[in-house]
Amino acid sequence: KAGVTQTPRYLIKTRGQQVTLSCSPISGHRSVSWYQQTPGQGLQFLFEYFSETQRNKGNFPGRFSGRQFSNSRSEMNVSTLELGDSALYLCASRPSEGGYTQYFGPGTRLTVL
Amino acid sequence: GDSVTQMEGPVTLSEEAFLTINCTYTATGYPSLFWYVQYPGEGLQLLLKATKADDKGSNKGFEATYRKETTSFHLEKGSVQVSDSAVYFCALSDVGGGADGLTFGKGTHLIIQP
Repeated sequence: KAGVTQTPRYLIKTRGQQVTLSCSPISGHRSVSWYQQTPGQGLQFLFEYFSETQRNKGNFPGRFSGRQFSNSRSEMNVSTLELGDSALYLCASRPSEGGYTQYFGPGTRLTVL
Repeated sequence: GDSVTQMEGPVTLSEEAFLTINCTYTATGYPSLFWYVQYPGEGLQLLLKATKADDKGSNKGFEATYRKETTSFHLEKGSVQVSDSAVYFCALSDVGGGADGLTFGKGTHLIIQP
């Protein structure tokens, strides 16, 4: 099976802009989670989607939002970008039936100038 | 809330040395435990996991045992190789939640010298 894919792999934006990142889960996986990785804060959970519904959300401001489509693909949006949003954004998917093991994509490296 | 504590390093070893990376956790529920590895410029790869007390996860020569009494999940390998150089993350997932995100440690940067 193909793994989790994320696009784009690299992105450069300026402060105040917005950005949309995309994630395609492993075939058959209906749950998609997003994480932010920074040198200072490490890996932090953003949110999880299952069957197009947000199931849980981490402690991030409302500028961070997401959605999931009927084919389980997910997008994450960050509005009004700040310098501190520069990070590696990782998407992970897991099987819908039991199984708490998450499988990660390669990430999108976002740089905010 | 849940938390994971691990040595941050860098940890520098010679090839064929024995490796231990300590990981301890606190959790309100009964978590599943994981080790992930991240190579430069890449995402996270699942290395091994354990879902209940006394379970031993193993993969590629790495092992870790779920110790509920000491709330630990230490990663070990008997003989490391240069190719093992990477950042290793210990993580937990609260079984009661399932929908909760993974809680990660800060990561341990491992450097293996030839």
